[in-house]
Amino acid sequence: NAGVMQNPRHLVRRRGQEARLRCSPMKGHSHVYWYRQLPEEGLKFMVYLQKENIIDESGMPKERFSAEFPKEGPSILRIQQVVRGDSAAYFCATRRGEAEKLFFGSGTQLSVL
Amino acid sequence: TQLLEQSPQFLSIQEGENLTVYCNSSSVFSSLQWYRQEPGEGPVLLVTVVTGGEVKKLKRLTFQFGDARKDSSLHITAAQTGDTGLYLCAGAPQGAQKLVFGQGTRLTINP
Repeated sequence: NAGVMQNPRHLVRRRGQEARLRCSPMKGHSHVYWYRQLPEEGLKFMVYLQKENIIDESGMPKERFSAEFPKEGPSILRIQQVVRGDSAAYFCATRRGEAEKLFFGSGTQLSVL
Repeated sequence: TQLLEQSPQFLSIQEGENLTVYCNSSSVFSSLQWYRQEPGEGPVLLVTVVTGGEVKKLKRLTFQFGDARKDSSLHITAAQTGDTGLYLCAGAPQGAQKLVFGQGTRLTINP
């Protein structure tokens, strides 16, 4: 059973471009969380999705950021018109049910030039 | 404002010494978790504490949940160089389904 897969591992974008980060949950996991981490800091919650539904997006910036978890395929975190301040490591975590253990992917390191 | 405050943020000690890392909050949590994160990787769960006053041991690591379920500690006995890493506490605030993290403790064990 493969773990949580995130791709790409590294993504370089120029200011103004779009970044699309993908997260494939473990088999049977329908709950997906996205977190952002700056160097030497903890993880900041962004959004929680449960198959096709956004449950909590209280940590997501109101503009330029969006997330989806379609019925088929990976969860996508999309950042439009990236700025240098978007540079960070983005992690997704998934679990089977609400009280289940959370498993993290290895993250996508986004660098905005 | 940080919901979970970890201290210290940085700790560098010699191999063989003992250490304690703290995770404090003014809020009550239904459970608290401790993670360890290696460079370039996602956090890996070490333990979950659920009951106030609970103590859990994982080899040389001892985890405690405060009686009021507002704080937790991680104690490492006879630290080894392999214990080096970023230690994060995380908790689910009551009524919320998301996990919030402390800012982490960067632990360095010197040979």
